[in-house]
Amino acid sequence: LAKTTQPISMDSYEGQEVNITCSHNNIATNDYITWYQQFPSQGPRFIIQGYKTKVTNEVASLFIPADRKSSTLSLPRVSLSDTAVYYCLVGDGERGTYKYIFGTGTRLKVLA
Amino acid sequence: SAVISQKPSRDICQRGTSLTIQCQVDSQVTMMFWYRQQPGQSLTLIATANQGSEATYESGFVIDKFPISRPNLTFSTLTVSNMSPEDSSIYLCSVAGRWGDEKLFFGSGTQLSVL
Repeated sequence: LAKTTQPISMDSYEGQEVNITCSHNNIATNDYITWYQQFPSQGPRFIIQGYKTKVTNEVASLFIPADRKSSTLSLPRVSLSDTAVYYCLVGDGERGTYKYIFGTGTRLKVLA
Repeated sequence: SAVISQKPSRDICQRGTSLTIQCQVDSQVTMMFWYRQQPGQSLTLIATANQGSEATYESGFVIDKFPISRPNLTFSTLTVSNMSPEDSSIYLCSVAGRWGDEKLFFGSGTQLSVL
């Protein structure tokens, strides 16, 4: 199973860009990289997903180098409401089973 | 995306009793999963709920303790049996597989406290 490693916590100030990097050295050829956001007392919420290079949506960007052994979630101009835990997930190597293993996640605290 | 409803949203139970958690999805989905999240911790996969067959459990979780039903493509239940205080956690239902990619969608969870 592909395992992910992220920083345990990060602090940032409002208006700054935040980059959270995830290491996934054992990623399989068919695995996508997916990031989730979780607020207290809620289930994780899908943020962004990518396979290679760069993906951007209305809330974040995802940068994936050519070797795909890491990825970086970029949150532009964070606000206090972005304070949450962010999880990086990769698939289990067998496409279609969707069996994700959650790592520790990164607790992002946005300060005023 | 999918709308996932979990019931109950929270409960306080006595040691030795059982609680059944329901998960209802607003559309048919291939894969349904049950996760546990202990206070301040990450999510741990309990089992994959397979429609029409027995659930597939992860290491450390057994059917006698966490029986799961999946009678159709929109509904599943997880029972936490013979509860102890160590079972106090948030239990989350998750779905995937309908949209041709690897996205998971989660319910809001059931917060269980065992006294």
